[in-house]
This record gives sequence, structure tokens and C-alpha cells, in this order.
Amino acid sequence: SSELTQDPAVSVALGQTVRITCQGDSLRSYYASWYQQKPGQAPVLVIYGKNNRPSGIPDRFSGSSSGNTASLTITGAQAEDEADYYCNSRDSSGNPNWVFGGGTKLTVL
Amino acid sequence: EVQLVESGGGLIQPGGSLRLSCAASGFTVSSNYMSWVRQAPGKGLEWVSVIYSGGSTYYADSVKGRFTISRDNSKNTLYLQMNSLRAEDTAVYYCARVHTLQDAFDIWGQGTMVTVSS
Repeated sequence: SSELTQDPAVSVALGQTVRITCQGDSLRSYYASWYQQKPGQAPVLVIYGKNNRPSGIPDRFSGSSSGNTASLTITGAQAEDEADYYCNSRDSSGNPNWVFGGGTKLTVL
Repeated sequence: EVQLVESGGGLIQPGGSLRLSCAASGFTVSSNYMSWVRQAPGKGLEWVSVIYSGGSTYYADSVKGRFTISRDNSKNTLYLQMNSLRAEDTAVYYCARVHTLQDAFDIWGQGTMVTVSS
């Protein structure tokens, strides 16, 4: 099956811009989706498709993709953005499955 | 309000069985792809299974042959029957709706904890 790779941890100063990346062969065929998860809570979809935000997600969250890498960018990070972020996509290995990245812990300093 | 509410988790001995339920409101389960995703303590998310609107079902290799996903259209509820449980199945189990067009999980339940231990 396909794999998605994320950096385990990233930090950003309050109000600055941070990019969280996700790499994998499946991203050459499928868009990545991005989820925010705070401690003790269920994941929340923040970006899907080419660069779409569900209702209620602030516009400081954006997504992009190039080749086998997808990125989630937070422009003007806020303290409440501190969370774990996961990417996922369909599996491109021929299985009708989904795969998740290992997650990135974002710390807002 | 669009909502998913899981139930059925608990402590179960290795080799045992458990059935999880996921009651939906605000939308129709049978008209959507519905999935189960789990998260072991302190670990990342792992996709477990999906049922398509047409009824086809698919599983991660780690649960294939042991878990069965199903739905009851009259109750608008999704299920996960888990048999031959192992310690490594210990996790919070989330049900999630798959976005109609984009293959993303757009609605999640609050999760139910399954602990497999003797």
C-alpha cells in the first residue's frame, strides 16, 4: 500500500507563516486532505481537494500540491492552531483504500 | 445538524468480539461512503474500512477477515463488527463520512475507545 510521510514536529512563532508538508507517491494521482486534531478531540477537516476549506475553517489555512508533495500553509498562525495535523489521500497502489500520514505536531511559540 | 455518534466500545479480552455503532443525523448514511478510522493511544490515524453507497466494502490489510462493516438503512446507522480481537486493535475508533466529491473525511464522530486486554 501507499505511504504518506510527514515531519513529526514543526514550530512557528505567533503570527508567522508555517508550512506543513506531506510526501507520497499517491499524491501524484490524488489530492491530499488535511485534518487538525487537538488533544482529546476528534479530527477536523481543514483542507480538501485542490484547495478547499469547509465552512467555518479560517482563511489563514490553505493547501497546495506539487508532484508527490502536498502542503498545508497557515498564514498568521494563532495560538489555537497548536495541534496535530494529518494528511491523507486515496491509496494509489491499486487498493480502494485510504492512507494517512504519521502526523505533524505544530507548536505555536 | 449533521452529526455522528459512536457507541459500543469497551474492554474486551483477546480473541473476543465487539460491535461498534455509529448513529447519523442530518444526512443519510446509505447515500454516502462511510468509513471507520482508528487511533491507537499516542499514535496517528489509521484507516480501517469503508462501505460505499452501493454497498461494496473494503478493509485495511490489518483487519481484513476479522472486521465487517455494515449499515442499517432503517436506523441510519453504521456498524463495525470486530472479531478475533488482538491487543494491537486497542484504539479510539471514529466513524467518518466521506465527502461526496473529494474523498476527504468531512464529518467525524467523537470516537469510542476499544481496549483489548486480559
